[in-house]
Amino acid sequence: DTAVSQTPKYLVTQMGNDKSIKCEQNLGHDTMYWYKQDSKKFLKIMFSYNNKELIINETVPNRFSPKSPDKAHLNLHINSLELGDSAVYFCASSQSATGGELFFGEGSRLTVL
Amino acid sequence: AQSVSQHNHHVILSEAASLELGCNYSYGGTVNLFWYVQYPGQHLQLLLKYFSGDPLVKGIKGFEAEFIKSKFSFNLRKPSVQWSDTAEYFCAVKGSNAGNMLTFGGGTRLMVKP
Repeated sequence: DTAVSQTPKYLVTQMGNDKSIKCEQNLGHDTMYWYKQDSKKFLKIMFSYNNKELIINETVPNRFSPKSPDKAHLNLHINSLELGDSAVYFCASSQSATGGELFFGEGSRLTVL
Repeated sequence: AQSVSQHNHHVILSEAASLELGCNYSYGGTVNLFWYVQYPGQHLQLLLKYFSGDPLVKGIKGFEAEFIKSKFSFNLRKPSVQWSDTAEYFCAVKGSNAGNMLTFGGGTRLMVKP
């Protein structure tokens, strides 16, 4: 079983559209994250949720709206997509918000045309 | 604020060569340090981590890293690389006051020629 799974793995869409990426973890972890990896492979945290509550929001445009229906799921919705949103988005989870290894999903490659 | 710098962006080695990838961090307090590897088309996997204790940390696949506090460094080493080590390597730091938020370096792309 995949510990952290993301869907879809690939997403190609037009500018201005709205899209969502879903993430689920079956590790029983309390904390989940979204990271963005740009074309130069630079990884930057976007959001973190602990037990469904937002704890980190790193100056991400408000077109990006994370939602955590329960602690095993963290979805990312993006409105009015722009070219610069093209990237690989990685979901991750950890045992707690204060420590522990991060386990990453396989990434969702978003291409905005 | 914490930051991480990886000086080598691209490294090309022949099989059996020794590897050292540099990582320097900036943070004034206690840190946890990590090296992650990303094989082509795959997700990030943890190679090794340092929390406390022996500054020489051994990880999976023959990798090790040494934490030198005075130099704010956590360089990754492997005595003899293999073609299968071709990947992107990321150093990451977590400061004691940063919750569990990892800050990643820009990555080093390693290519090992057979």
